[in-house]
Amino acid sequence: ILNVEQSPQSLHVQEGDSTNFTCSFPSSNFYALHWYRWETAKSPEALFVMTLNGDEKKKGRISATLNTKEGYSYLYIKGSQPEDSATYLCAFIAGTGTASKLTFGTGTRLQVTL
Amino acid sequence: DAGITQSPRHKVTETGTPVTLRCHQTENHRYMYWYRQDPGHGLRLIHYSYGVKDTDKGEVSDGYSVSRSKTEDFLLTLESATSSQTSVYFCAISDDRGYGYTFGSGTRLTVV
Repeated sequence: ILNVEQSPQSLHVQEGDSTNFTCSFPSSNFYALHWYRWETAKSPEALFVMTLNGDEKKKGRISATLNTKEGYSYLYIKGSQPEDSATYLCAFIAGTGTASKLTFGTGTRLQVTL
Repeated sequence: DAGITQSPRHKVTETGTPVTLRCHQTENHRYMYWYRQDPGHGLRLIHYSYGVKDTDKGEVSDGYSVSRSKTEDFLLTLESATSSQTSVYFCAISDDRGYGYTFGSGTRLTVV
């Protein structure tokens, strides 16, 4: 069983704060790393798919970086807004990517208050 | 989400009864997955399929079976439901590269 860890488990910030979370994954046999945003009572929504060491992705105020050699990815949110409140999941795919099984971390729950 | 639907959305069943959950897709994707979501565990893979009649076990497959007789449908069966199988079940689909995962809306199953 692959070990994918996320920290912190939960985070409470005020509107306008910038924040970041960490995802750690096995550094060997890397294929891809996914980030998802998951609002309560909804289904996970894909944010980024990252495949290359040094990858940086950006979508609005949210960005992510990837270091496959040391096995970590950071997700950044700039100027947090209440609508950013959600659980952020990372998921790792090992090997060649065939039968593309995602192994999920347990998530970072972000709450943004006014 | 568009292209993937789960049924039922909610179900309450008694211990020992069989239960089947259905996942239906209209994207013609080869890969389909069943995950369960539990507090403190995130999403854990139960079974997955890489084609019609091609399935394999995931991390938490005990007590579950699956079938895929058509590209569009992936069924998850609890042969004899137990209280430990009370959970929210998510189906997902992906393309061959594994880059585009889409999740269904989930099925909340309560075993009493």
